[in-house]
Amino acid sequence: KNQVEQSPQSLIILEGKNCTLQCNYTVSPFSNLRWYKQDTGRGPVSLTIMTFSENTKSNGRYTATLDADTKQSSLHITASQLSDSASYICVVSVGFGNEKLTFGTGTRLTIIP
Amino acid sequence: ETGVTQTPRHLVMGMTNKKSLKCEQHLGHNAMYWYKQSAKKPLELMFVYNFKEQTENNSVPSRFSPECPNSSHLFLHLHTLQPEDSALYLCASSQDRRAGKDEQYFGPGTRLTVT
Repeated sequence: KNQVEQSPQSLIILEGKNCTLQCNYTVSPFSNLRWYKQDTGRGPVSLTIMTFSENTKSNGRYTATLDADTKQSSLHITASQLSDSASYICVVSVGFGNEKLTFGTGTRLTIIP
Repeated sequence: ETGVTQTPRHLVMGMTNKKSLKCEQHLGHNAMYWYKQSAKKPLELMFVYNFKEQTENNSVPSRFSPECPNSSHLFLHLHTLQPEDSALYLCASSQDRRAGKDEQYFGPGTRLTVT
């Protein structure tokens, strides 16, 4: 069964600190992995997308890593800001062409001043 | 806001009501999607349309009826809903469902409450 598990479920950190969110997946065949940010009351917005051959990708203060062998990904946020408070969703794409997306339940991140 | 808009943003309806959700994308995409997002659960794909043709229906109850009159507009018609249907309904669009790495762009969602 294709599954995406994220940890922790929720996280609270002080503004300016770094944090790392985890994503483990069991999907086959793997196509790509995406991280989305979802602000409260908004739709998800894509942060990064990585294929099998990519093991790291950055988008500003966000850096995603992918280990296709262990089927793990992480999203590292540096120098957190209050606007980083949101849910972060890991999404793994299964198949090639007409691919199906398997969503994680997300990590709820809260940045406090 | 993204290039995908949804109306209304909030909707409260009784179980005997009939209502419709609307989604419009201004990105020139050819694929559109409906998702359901319930608390503490992953997004659930409901329907997919590619070039106005429905290509996926993930065992969605018939009380949800999608309509895609053209590549820019997608509707979700609701009737005889149950309280457990209360959720955030998200619309998304992408360039072409059949392409690999097909980036999906989401709308802000409609918060639906069934009383």
